[in-house]
Amino acid sequence: AQRVTQPEKLLSVFKGAPVELKCNYSYSGSPELFWYVQYSRQRLQLLLRHISRESIKGFTADLNKGETSFHLKKPFAQEEDSAMYYCALSGEGAQKLVFGQGTRLTINP
Amino acid sequence: KAGVTQTPRYLIKTRGQQVTLSCSPISGHRSVSWYQQTPGQGLQFLFEYFSETQRNKGNFPGRFSGRQFSNSRSEMNVSTLELGDSALYLCASSLGLGGRGYEQYFGPGTRLTVT
Repeated sequence: AQRVTQPEKLLSVFKGAPVELKCNYSYSGSPELFWYVQYSRQRLQLLLRHISRESIKGFTADLNKGETSFHLKKPFAQEEDSAMYYCALSGEGAQKLVFGQGTRLTINP
Repeated sequence: KAGVTQTPRYLIKTRGQQVTLSCSPISGHRSVSWYQQTPGQGLQFLFEYFSETQRNKGNFPGRFSGRQFSNSRSEMNVSTLELGDSALYLCASSLGLGGRGYEQYFGPGTRLTVT
């Protein structure tokens, strides 16, 4: 079974500080991992996916198969990064997208 | 192009009633997924439809059902509503099945309140 765990429900950091949102997963095959973000009063939207290996809005995430993790990182947080972040996993084949519980990130000025 | 639309945006129902929610995907998208979002449980997958067929199903009781039409529009029905069904119901569309390789585009959601 697929499972995604985001251990922190709330995370608060100061502007300019580094940010790391944790995501651990459980899946026996080869997963595809995503980070989705929901800004205040906006729709849930894709932030990045591990296969793209790109940086979006300064965020990066590396899939660590040994530790079954896909942590989201940004070296210098900005106030506009305040949002709800969801880690999600899709298994092999036509499988559903499974989301973690989400982490609410607050960037303090 | 137009995004995913959901109607109605807000709904208040009484316990025991039934409700139907509608989702119109982005033009050209053939997959529609439904999710229940609550503060306590986060985003939980309900089901996914592709080419009018249910392809994936989450762990929800049979009171939750759905369908997809030939134009890819989808409806979700909840019968015999319970207080615990109060939630934001999100619809997402994508070009292909599941999340694999395909970005899911989410609608604004329908806020259902059961009293």
